[in-house]
Amino acid sequence: GAGVSQSPSNKVTEKGKDVELRCDPISGHTALYWYRQSLGQGLEFLIYFQGNSAPDKSGLPSDRFSAERTGGSVSTLTIQRTQQEDSAVYLCASSLAGTGKETQYFGPGTRLLVL
Amino acid sequence: SQKIEQNSEALNIQEGKTATLTCNYTNYSPAYLQWYRQDPGRGPVFLLLIRENEKEKRKERLKVTFDTTLKQSLFHITASQPADSATYLCALPKPRVYNQGGKLIFGQGTELSVKP
Repeated sequence: GAGVSQSPSNKVTEKGKDVELRCDPISGHTALYWYRQSLGQGLEFLIYFQGNSAPDKSGLPSDRFSAERTGGSVSTLTIQRTQQEDSAVYLCASSLAGTGKETQYFGPGTRLLVL
Repeated sequence: SQKIEQNSEALNIQEGKTATLTCNYTNYSPAYLQWYRQDPGRGPVFLLLIRENEKEKRKERLKVTFDTTLKQSLFHITASQPADSATYLCALPKPRVYNQGGKLIFGQGTELSVKP
């Protein structure tokens, strides 16, 4: 079956512009995660959606970052007024919920470059 | 705060040898630990999960150990092959006491290079 997909695969934008990154999780996965990976760094948690619960936004680095998950499926990560330090690979992952279902399935990522 | 450390230096080994990667963590008692593989330009791919009550887990040529006293996990690849060359990440779940669900804290990864 289809895995997690993300679009666009690459995005180049100018400082100060807004960008939207999209994630299509695996069908039936109730949990969805956004991570950020800077060059040569590990993954940094951004936000977590689980079913109809309020999202855990504790990893968002500033109020310029926001995310939505519509209908419990597709998610959009929005970065407003982009800065050069926002340049990174943004990874989305999805999983089932519960003990024994902790495996996260990652998409290929969106490579964002802010000039 | 919780911290995960992996060998920051790349590991270079000869084909056929066993690769051993280390993951140490502090200020934390995770219920489980995961290992992921990441190839350049791709998202991480899940390899193995080991729970706190398990000492060792195997999958084909992979073996993971979990020492909750030392707060350390070792990841072994036996009979390594050039195709095993990748970055390997260990990951632990955020503490449940904070009700933070299944999100993971990742180490920075260790790059493994297997030479023919």
